[in-house]
Amino acid sequence: DVKVTQSSRYLVKRTGEKVFLECVQDMDHENMFWYRQDPGLGLRLIYFSYDVKMKEKGDIPEGYSVSREKKERFSLILESASTNQTSMYLCASTPPPGTGGEKLFFGSGTQLSVL
Amino acid sequence: AQSVTQLGSHVSVSEGALVLLRCNYSSSVPPYLFWYVQYPNQGLQLLLKYTSAATLVKGINGFEAEFKKSETSFHLTKPSAHMSDAAEYFCAVSEWGGGADGLTFGKGTHLIIQP
Repeated sequence: DVKVTQSSRYLVKRTGEKVFLECVQDMDHENMFWYRQDPGLGLRLIYFSYDVKMKEKGDIPEGYSVSREKKERFSLILESASTNQTSMYLCASTPPPGTGGEKLFFGSGTQLSVL
Repeated sequence: AQSVTQLGSHVSVSEGALVLLRCNYSSSVPPYLFWYVQYPNQGLQLLLKYTSAATLVKGINGFEAEFKKSETSFHLTKPSAHMSDAAEYFCAVSEWGGGADGLTFGKGTHLIIQP
């Protein structure tokens, strides 16, 4: 089975801190995604990447950046955390279209609280 | 641009009763459609998907969904609810199979099962 691992299940940070959320997948998937999940708003796409060192903005990229130095690892960075970034963050990956790429595999999520 | 509307943020049914979760989509091209389920404290997992083959799609755990182009709908049903079905359900759409640009999710429907 595909495994998508997010390094922390719960994280508490202070306003203004730089925050790194790490995600690793073990199936050599091309595409990786970061979503945030908020009650009543569903999942919203922050950034995605379809190759090493490539990144694309999603629907709500403001206040975030990403890094993909290796194919298996996709990091989400909050340059200066703010309270409105308190949320559940979900990482996902998928192989290219035509190879089962329509199915996203999700990690368990990181619940980030910014105080 | 694609979008998804889930009618009802909370749906409550009795154990053994029919489950009906509603989803309407908007897409400029024939879409790929998905239902994902999220159990408490877990990531999302795929229930079923529509990728332009049969309009009635069967998924895991006895769920099925019917693609109706004329109504732009993809409602999720299960004939008889079980207590273990209590979870958050998300409908999602993609115009490119989700491989390169991810999915657009609805806001979610919380399914409550009454004993």
